[in-house]
Amino acid sequence: AQKVTQAQTEISVVEKEDVTLDCVYETRDTTYYLFWYKQPPSGELVFLIRRNSFDEQNEISGRYSWNFQKSTSSFNFTITASQVVDSAVYFCALSELNAGNMLTFGGGTRLMVKP
Amino acid sequence: DTGVSQDPRHKITKRGQNVTFRCDPISEHNRLYWYRQTLGQGPEFLTYFQNEAQLEKSRLLSDRFSAERPKGSFSTLEIQRTEQGDSAMYLCASSQDRTEAFFGQGTRLTVV
Repeated sequence: AQKVTQAQTEISVVEKEDVTLDCVYETRDTTYYLFWYKQPPSGELVFLIRRNSFDEQNEISGRYSWNFQKSTSSFNFTITASQVVDSAVYFCALSELNAGNMLTFGGGTRLMVKP
Repeated sequence: DTGVSQDPRHKITKRGQNVTFRCDPISEHNRLYWYRQTLGQGPEFLTYFQNEAQLEKSRLLSDRFSAERPKGSFSTLEIQRTEQGDSAMYLCASSQDRTEAFFGQGTRLTVV
């Protein structure tokens, strides 16, 4: 069965600090997809990134970067020079090829960036 | 059409009443999903459609819940005989085949 664990329930940083959100997953499939979503107070889940299990290249998008390591079943998310607007709940999610397109979400990490 | 829209945004109902939510996906997307999110938790999968066919249902979807997607366009999620445990945010998402899913802002249900 698939499972996603986000051990950090809440993180508080001061603006301009770097912060890493951890994500560990479990799956029996060899083909799967990993995602990060952001949920601001408005409630809408905003898609950030999707990676497939065959692509372990790290990705950078502006202040955001992602580190995918199959050896440790982790898909961590780093925000560089955090800003107050980054305050939100961030969810890591997993989708197995043989499970339709169903997403299994972690419990989320609430990030608070203080000015 | 700029995204997935859900209606209503908020619903308060008395226990035992029936409620229906609507989701309008991104127009070119053939897949539509319903998730439920309770406070402090991640979303949990309920059901998904490919076009008008309901292909998968979670064990969470009791027989009081029913979802439809007539003609493969908008979808409705109905909860009959609501219970306090049904109070949650109901999220709809859509995707084109196996690409990333885009979510609506959700319908927050409160059962009193």
